[in-house]
Amino acid sequence: QQQVKQSPQSLIVQKGGISIINCAYENTAFDYFPWYQQFPGKGPALLIAIRPDVSEKKEGRFTISFNKSAKQFSLHIMDSQPGDSATYFCAARRGDTDKLIFGTGTRLQVFP
Amino acid sequence: DGGITQSPKYLFRKEGQNVTLSCEQNLNHDAMYWYRQDPGQGLRLIYYSQIVNDFQKGDIAEGYSVSREKKESFPLTVTSAQKNPTAFYLCASTSRDRGTQHFGDGTRLSIL
Repeated sequence: QQQVKQSPQSLIVQKGGISIINCAYENTAFDYFPWYQQFPGKGPALLIAIRPDVSEKKEGRFTISFNKSAKQFSLHIMDSQPGDSATYFCAARRGDTDKLIFGTGTRLQVFP
Repeated sequence: DGGITQSPKYLFRKEGQNVTLSCEQNLNHDAMYWYRQDPGQGLRLIYYSQIVNDFQKGDIAEGYSVSREKKESFPLTVTSAQKNPTAFYLCASTSRDRGTQHFGDGTRLSIL
């Protein structure tokens, strides 16, 4: 119940295309769902986050879609750019703790 | 600039040796965390501390130890009992209002 399942493990997209990464969870006590972006040799950095009372959140080219009934959420990167090439992690936080449970990551490669 | 500083960036351990990884933050955050990152496994929680002089084991605490004598500092010791220490270690912190976790840029530990 503590797991967050992330797919795909890797993703190759052409420049200008849409990148889609999916995550699923079981624990209904999760109340905060962030996405992190990590470049090689660096720590993860918060990209965008959503709470379960919202079905979609958009920030620039990045959108989170959230389906509470299906316990799924996804990251969409519109107009993908080579600079978006990185590893992306979804995560979930239980309401009564500060601990994050991370997905296993998706390595995105955007080719020109 | 406020942030989290991890040092050293690269560290080598000899057999039977304990090594200590440094994590310092000047964000005035209350909670601090240590994660281990292995390829294809996401981030796994080693230890966390929500307040000075208190800390709790995470999911993979065996072979590790921590201390939290100051709010700003949360060093991690990888002991000789940790038989597979080669990994990328990440430190994070978050504020009392349980905002997003901020990460340092990690320490890569290897075995000589």
